Amino acid sequence: RKEVEQDPGPFNVPEGATVAFNCTYSNSASQSFFWYRQDCRKEPKLLMSVYSSGNEDGRFTAQLNRASQYISLLIRDSKLSDSATYLCVVSSTYSGAGSYQLTFGKGTKLSVIP
Amino acid sequence: NAGVTQTPKFRVLKTGQSMTLLCAQDMNHEYMYWYRQDPGMGLRLIHYSVGEGTTAKGEVPDGYNVSRLKKQNFLLGLESAAPSQTSVYFCASKGRQGGTYGYTFGSGTRLTVV
Repeated sequence: RKEVEQDPGPFNVPEGATVAFNCTYSNSASQSFFWYRQDCRKEPKLLMSVYSSGNEDGRFTAQLNRASQYISLLIRDSKLSDSATYLCVVSSTYSGAGSYQLTFGKGTKLSVIP
Repeated sequence: NAGVTQTPKFRVLKTGQSMTLLCAQDMNHEYMYWYRQDPGMGLRLIHYSVGEGTTAKGEVPDGYNVSRLKKQNFLLGLESAAPSQTSVYFCASKGRQGGTYGYTFGSGTRLTVV
């Protein structure tokens, strides 16, 4: 089982649509959770952290369910500029090293169409 | 400008050649990481460092070596390049950003091995 699994995508949605991304992780000891955004041929950039209570940043809402090891990202009123690949990222210890590392999902590509 | 700088940005190598990728950060971060990203794959951790003079293996360390002689620099070496090492390489550093830890990524090095 892959450590972090995401919807394979791609998602093609019209402007103004609501789009949801889902992610599951296998390491129950994972500590921190994030959504990153990666534009074509660019580096990943933090979109938002994900907290157990759920959190919102403008049109973006992230939720975490630790019991089912599930993370989600909802984008409302999608814009052309939201077109990118969205990466689900989990922070956990690697091989008992004692320090936390990021594990990335493969990403889900979103294209917002005029 | 503060951040993570990777050099070179692009490189073409012949099979068997060697090269070193340089990552430099000016944020006084303790932690530094090297990832590779291949089509259809998430970023995978190659090696990492938790401080000056320390290095450790990540998920896919074979064929690579690293050094962290100075806190601000993290070097990734390929002793004998193979076509399987064709990839985009991202360096990242981690340090305190406000009340939490944050990761900063470099803009990537696109390496082709022919």
